[in-house]
Amino acid sequence: AQTVTQSQPEMSVQEAETVTLSCTYDTSESDYYLFWYKQPPSRQMILVIRQEAYKQQNATENRFSVNFQKAAKSFSLKISDSQLGDAAMYFCAYDGQNFVFGPGTRLSVLP
Amino acid sequence: GAGVSQSPRYKVAKRGQDVALRCDPISGHVSLFWYQQALGQGPEFLTYFQNEAQLDKSGLPSDRFFAERPEGSVSTLKIQRTQQEDSAVYLCASSLEGQGDTEAFFGQGTRLTVV
Repeated sequence: AQTVTQSQPEMSVQEAETVTLSCTYDTSESDYYLFWYKQPPSRQMILVIRQEAYKQQNATENRFSVNFQKAAKSFSLKISDSQLGDAAMYFCAYDGQNFVFGPGTRLSVLP
Repeated sequence: GAGVSQSPRYKVAKRGQDVALRCDPISGHVSLFWYQQALGQGPEFLTYFQNEAQLDKSGLPSDRFFAERPEGSVSTLKIQRTQQEDSAVYLCASSLEGQGDTEAFFGQGTRLTVV
């Protein structure tokens, strides 16, 4: 079975600075998708960014980018120019034969 | 509708009571997913529908949990004889097709507290 690990339960970043959230996963599949979701206190899961495993190019979405290392099974999220509204739980997720979420990283943004 | 809608937002049930949680997906979305999110943890997959067909129910924790989507639109997650360990947020998501191919949109969840 696939597993997703987020080794940082909590992270903090100064406003306008850059932060990187870590995610590793374990799978024997070669075709899959990876996601980062943001969950603010409202509980609504919001898709931040997605990556297809067959694409070598790292996905980018405005201030959010990923570092996808397929061989290392690593999928980190970089948030640039952090804003107060970025404070939330961030979940890494794997979609292949099964859809699996990681345990989450709580991100605090300090003014 | 504009997004995935779940009701009720909050539900308190006495142990042993049956509950029904409703999910209204985005109109036209084929796929619908249910997740259970315990406090401080990531969501865990419960079940998946493609239209009215329940293609995967491997995540349902016991036979007290039952989900249906009879007309391929609204879905209901029913929990019979609730127990304290059922307390969690239940999230519903829908997507146009399979989740990897198209974006999945989540509702705000139903927080179930069993007392």
